Amino acid sequence: DAGVIQSPRHEVTEMGQEVTLRCKPISGHNSLFWYRQTMMRGLELLIYFNNNVPIDDSGMPEDRFSAKMPNASFSTLKIQPSEPRDSAVYFCASRVDRGGSPLHFGNGTRLTVT
Amino acid sequence: SQKIEQNSEALNIQEGKTATLTCNYTNYSPAYLQWYRQDPGRGPVFLLLIRENEKEKRKERLKVTFDTTLKQSLFHITASQPADSATYLCALADTGRRALTFGSGTRLQVQP
Repeated sequence: DAGVIQSPRHEVTEMGQEVTLRCKPISGHNSLFWYRQTMMRGLELLIYFNNNVPIDDSGMPEDRFSAKMPNASFSTLKIQPSEPRDSAVYFCASRVDRGGSPLHFGNGTRLTVT
Repeated sequence: SQKIEQNSEALNIQEGKTATLTCNYTNYSPAYLQWYRQDPGRGPVFLLLIRENEKEKRKERLKVTFDTTLKQSLFHITASQPADSATYLCALADTGRRALTFGSGTRLQVQP
């Protein structure tokens, strides 16, 4: 079991550029979550998908953020245009959609926007 | 407003002692609560689940309690070891929601 795979591990970009973060969930997991972690705000839910359909995107900060899940084995989180305040660690997590089942996290993408 | 509160100050204890971490919540009615461990540069890793109808859960040196009246969960590590040093996060899902909301975590440092 390879676990949840995220890429890239680190991303440094200039303000105004487009950033795309990628996630491959664990095979067989039908729920996928994107979280963002900062020192000030902790781990915040951005969006989650169930069976590839976005269920709750109320945590997406604004229209500059978008997420897609074209199939069960791939998801992207895009920021366009990026701003310095978007600097954070972005985590993807997956799980089987059953009450109480644990989240399996990737090791995150550390995004720095200068 | 809804809040999940964990002690933001680091907890420093001596090896062999019991570490106790607290998670308090406000304006949630969780069906269950989970605890995760996070090491620097890594994603959180699931440790334990406790449901609303359970008072206590154990796994090896770990013990979790859940008091829905006090709106509090306690997480204990007995016979602590330096390898237990990490940040510990509690997480819960409000009634009717599938997604977990996380506390800000408590950093535990076990001194040899």
